[in-house]
Amino acid sequence: DIQMTQSPSSLSASVGDRVTITCRASQSISSYLNWYQQKPAKAPKLLIYAASSLQSGVPSRFSGSGSGTDFTLTISSLQPEDFATYYCQQSQEFGQGTKVEIK
Amino acid sequence: QITLKESGPTLVKPTQTLTLTCTFSGFSLSTSGVGVGWIRQPPGKALDWLALIFWDDDERYSPSLKSRLTITKDTSKNQVVLTMTNMDPVDTATYYCARCLRDAYYYYYMDVWGKGTTVTVSS
Repeated sequence: DIQMTQSPSSLSASVGDRVTITCRASQSISSYLNWYQQKPAKAPKLLIYAASSLQSGVPSRFSGSGSGTDFTLTISSLQPEDFATYYCQQSQEFGQGTKVEIK
Repeated sequence: QITLKESGPTLVKPTQTLTLTCTFSGFSLSTSGVGVGWIRQPPGKALDWLALIFWDDDERYSPSLKSRLTITKDTSKNQVVLTMTNMDPVDTATYYCARCLRDAYYYYYMDVWGKGTTVTVSS
């Protein structure tokens, strides 16, 4: 089974900061990697699919990159509404999540 | 507008079988590439993928829970049902259903989610 490892597990950042979250697969998964955002007591929301495709309606400050085993989610300028937990997902596996908190 | 809604019991006893229904609108499970999946989240923990079913009856299950899960679809009713046997307190979680879109290479993602339903397992 493929394992997905996210880092860091949490981070503190300020509004306007550039934030990068990493997801590593235990074996190559080509570009088959999705990113979701989840706010407290809410359902997850799809941000990025196929590693770098922005889901319709998602702000352009979100971007994804990577292929093979190493992937990145970048928020170019953190906004107040972006404080949340972010998950990567490949097929039947989710990462353990990265909580983005206010500094 | 695409919507999904989970329904089922909020409380089940240990060893009982849980039956959850996902009722959806705005899409059809007879459309090529479309599926519905189930994901759960224990309190304060990460997302945990459970099962999904596609328009062509392709079924996928979490390897660790496969023996306890069954997923079925009723295309005419726009419903997908998940059953989980032998419930245990560790199965206490919020259970979500989501629409899945799959391509020709069997890659998929979950683009629309229900709000979730909370299930507590306790005697």
